[in-house]
Amino acid sequence: EIVLTQSPATLSLSPGERATLSCRASQSVSRYLGWYQQKPGQAPRLLIYDASNRATGVPARFSGSGSGTDFTLTISSLEPEDSAVFYCQQRSNWPLTFGGGTKVEIK
Amino acid sequence: QVQLVQSGSELKEPGASVMVSCKASGYTFTSFAINWVRQAPGQGLEWMGWINTITGDPTYAQGFTGRFVFSLDTSVSTAYLQINSLEAGDTALYYCAKAFANYNDWFDPWGQGSLVTVSS
Repeated sequence: EIVLTQSPATLSLSPGERATLSCRASQSVSRYLGWYQQKPGQAPRLLIYDASNRATGVPARFSGSGSGTDFTLTISSLEPEDSAVFYCQQRSNWPLTFGGGTKVEIK
Repeated sequence: QVQLVQSGSELKEPGASVMVSCKASGYTFTSFAINWVRQAPGQGLEWMGWINTITGDPTYAQGFTGRFVFSLDTSVSTAYLQINSLEAGDTALYYCAKAFANYNDWFDPWGQGSLVTVSS
């Protein structure tokens, strides 16, 4: 099973700042990595798939990069509504696995 | 719009069974797989498996074989998750999620989640 490790566990930033979230895989997942956003009390929402493709309706301030074992989700300029937990997920090998999440707090 | 609406919260005793439903609308139900994901209280996401909405064939992740059953009723565009012989460790929020575009392994959108609580 591929283990995904996310860091940091919590990120506390002000509106307008840049957020950089990391996801590291225990073995190469090529570019088969995605990112989800889960706001409090809501279901997750797909943001990024296959490392760098934005899902339908996702604002351009969200971008993904990386390949192999190291991936990054960048929020270029934080908005108050971006407060959420962000999870990475790989689809390279079954079982599909998720990272433990990074909580983004807006000051 | 594309939407998955799940059944409500359930409180069950250990050893009982529970069935969670997931009704799809806004698209052709048999065109996309349905996945199931578990989220224990305050925890992360765990993929349980998926069901082929054309053939009805289920695939279960390790740890979700035996007591967990995925099924469909395509006449009402609904997927079901049944959990038998419930244990306290099954207490969790259970999500169904539609396969995204042509990818069986990306999930969007998700249902709102169904909370299953197992307690005596």
